[in-house]
Formats: sequence, C-alpha cells, structure tokens
Amino acid sequence: AQTVTQSQPEMSVQEAETVTLSCTYDTSESDYYLFWYKQPPSRQMILVIRQEAYKQQNATENRFSVNFQKAAKSFSLKISDSQLGDAAMYFCAYRSALAGAGSYQLTFGKGTKLSVIP
Amino acid sequence: DTAVSQTPKYLVTQMGNDKSIKCEQNLGHDTMYWYKQDSKKFLKIMFSYNNKELIINETVPNRFSPKSPDKAHLNLHINSLELGDSAVYFCASSQGGLGHEQYFGPGTRLTVT
Repeated sequence: AQTVTQSQPEMSVQEAETVTLSCTYDTSESDYYLFWYKQPPSRQMILVIRQEAYKQQNATENRFSVNFQKAAKSFSLKISDSQLGDAAMYFCAYRSALAGAGSYQLTFGKGTKLSVIP
Repeated sequence: DTAVSQTPKYLVTQMGNDKSIKCEQNLGHDTMYWYKQDSKKFLKIMFSYNNKELIINETVPNRFSPKSPDKAHLNLHINSLELGDSAVYFCASSQGGLGHEQYFGPGTRLTVT
C-alpha cells in the first residue's frame, strides 16, 4: 500500500516571501500521479497542482511549482510571493496510474498548516 | 454553478439515529467518491463508484451504506450513528480513474452528540 508523509505539521511564511512544503511518498509502482490540494478555512478542497510521474519536467501553476524527485520519492511544493489568501491546510496526495481499484482513490498525507504573516 | 454539491453542509444528531448525506455532481463525471476527514484533518477514502458500480469499499463499518441511483448522485446513509462518526464527509467526482483530477464538494460536518 502506498503511504504519503508530510513531515511539517505547521509552517509560516512572511507575506511576499517564498515557502516550500515537503512531501515524501512510498510506492512500488513506477507510474502514478501526485497532487497538492489546498483546504482554506472554508473547508473546500482545491486542487493546486498535479504531476505525472512519467514527466521529468516539474509542474508549475503561476506562483506554485513543485520539485519532483522520483528516485527520492519526494514531491515538494514551492509557493512564491506568498499572499494572505495562501493561508490554508495543504495536502499532498498520491494516485496510482495502474488500471484497477488503486487508480480510483487518492491517498493523502496528514497535511501542513500554512500561516501567512502580514 | 456548483460542480459538486452536498446537502446538508452541517448535520447535528444524536447517537443511535440514522442519517443521510446527499451528493450531486453536474460535471458529467462517471466516478464518485466519499472521503472522511477526521478531527485531525486526516482524509481517507471510504467508497468509490464508477458508472454506478462499487469500485472501492475501504474498511468502513457496514453501518455506512453508499447508494448511487445514477452517475450524477452518490448518497451516503449512516445507521445507528456513534460518537466516533463525527467528522467532515467529502463527496468528490472525476472522469474515470487513471489520474483524472477529483473535484470535491464543500463537505458535510457531521456532529454526533
């Protein structure tokens, strides 16, 4: 079974600065997808960014980018120019790319609570 | 236009009662899910339905019964509610498996007293 570990329960960043959230995962599969979801106080789960394991290029979405290290099974999220609206819980998630039941579920890490200091 | 909606958003009930949470998606997706988020914010899959067929049924007490009347709806019925069932329940949908993004509903906060 796959596991996802987020080792930083809480982090804080000054507004306009850059912060990196860590995520590691354990899998025996070679093909999979990784995601970062954001959960603000409103509770809504919002997809931030997605990475396919077969792609070497790191995904980027505006101020959000990832550092995907497949061999190290590491998938960190970098937030540049942090804004007050970035304050939220951030969840790293894994999804199998193999046909079967595993591809129909997300396995989540325990989350990192990010605070943004004005 | 709400993509994935859940009703109710808040549910307070007493132990032993039976309750249902409804979920509807208007994205045309063929796969729907129920996740449970506990008090420590940990999210875990409960059920997954693809084209109205049960794909995943994690180790969830059989007091929990999902029902999918059609591809756009996946309801969750809970019998004999217990204190430990208090959590936030999220419905989600996607187009198939294999990496397609899951879109989440707003969650239902269930409190059992």
